Amino acid sequence: AQSVTQPDIHITVSEGASLELRCNYSYGATPYLFWYVQSPGQGLQLLLKYFSGDTLVQGTKGFEAEFKRSQSSFNLRKPSVHWSDAAEYFCAVGANSGYSTLTFGKGTMLLVSP
Amino acid sequence: KAGVTQTPRYLIKTRGQQVTLSCSPISGHRSVSWYQQTPGQGLQFLFEYFSETQRNKGNFPGRFSGRQFSNSRSEMNVSTLELGDSALYLCASSFLRADTQYFGPGTRLTVL
Repeated sequence: AQSVTQPDIHITVSEGASLELRCNYSYGATPYLFWYVQSPGQGLQLLLKYFSGDTLVQGTKGFEAEFKRSQSSFNLRKPSVHWSDAAEYFCAVGANSGYSTLTFGKGTMLLVSP
Repeated sequence: KAGVTQTPRYLIKTRGQQVTLSCSPISGHRSVSWYQQTPGQGLQFLFEYFSETQRNKGNFPGRFSGRQFSNSRSEMNVSTLELGDSALYLCASSFLRADTQYFGPGTRLTVL
C-alpha cells in the first residue's frame, strides 16, 4: 500500500528565509507526486506535481520540488518565504495508472515569523 | 473556467440524522473523488466516481455512500450520523482517472 510521511508537524521560518518541507513516500512503482496547500477553512490548492521527466518541478507562488527516487523523497522548497505563505502543506502520492486515489501525508503547518 | 463547487459550505446536524453533500466538478472533468479531513486522521479517501460508476472505495462504513450523475455532478450521503463524522468533506475532480485532482472548498459538517 502506498504511504506518505511528512516528518515535520510544524515549522517556523523567518520571513525572507529559505524553506524546505520534507516528504517521503512509499509506492511500488514510479508514483505521481503532488504538493497541495491549505489555508484555514479552505480547500486544497495545487502547488505543483510530478508525473515524469525532469525531476525538478516548478510550481506556483515560487515553490519548487525535487523528486529523488533513490531517497523516495519529494521535498518542497522556496528560496524566500513571504508572510502569506503561512498555511498547512500536504504532500500526496497517487497511482500512475488506473485510479485516482490520493494518499496524503499528515501535513506540515508553516508559521512565518516577522 | 469555474472551479469545483461544493454545497452547502456548512452543516450542523444531530446524531442519527442523515445528510447529503453536493459537488459540481470543473466543466469537462469526469472523475470525482471525495475525501474526509479530520484533525486526528488527516485526509482520508472516501470514494471515487467516474462515468456514473463507483470505481474505488476507501475504508469507511456502509453509512457513507455516494453517486454521480450524467453531468458528472456528485453527491455523497451519510446516514445515521455519529459524532465522529464531524469533519471537512472535500470533493476533487479530474479530467481523467489517474490525473491531477482539483479540490473544492469543502463542506464543514458538525454533528451534535
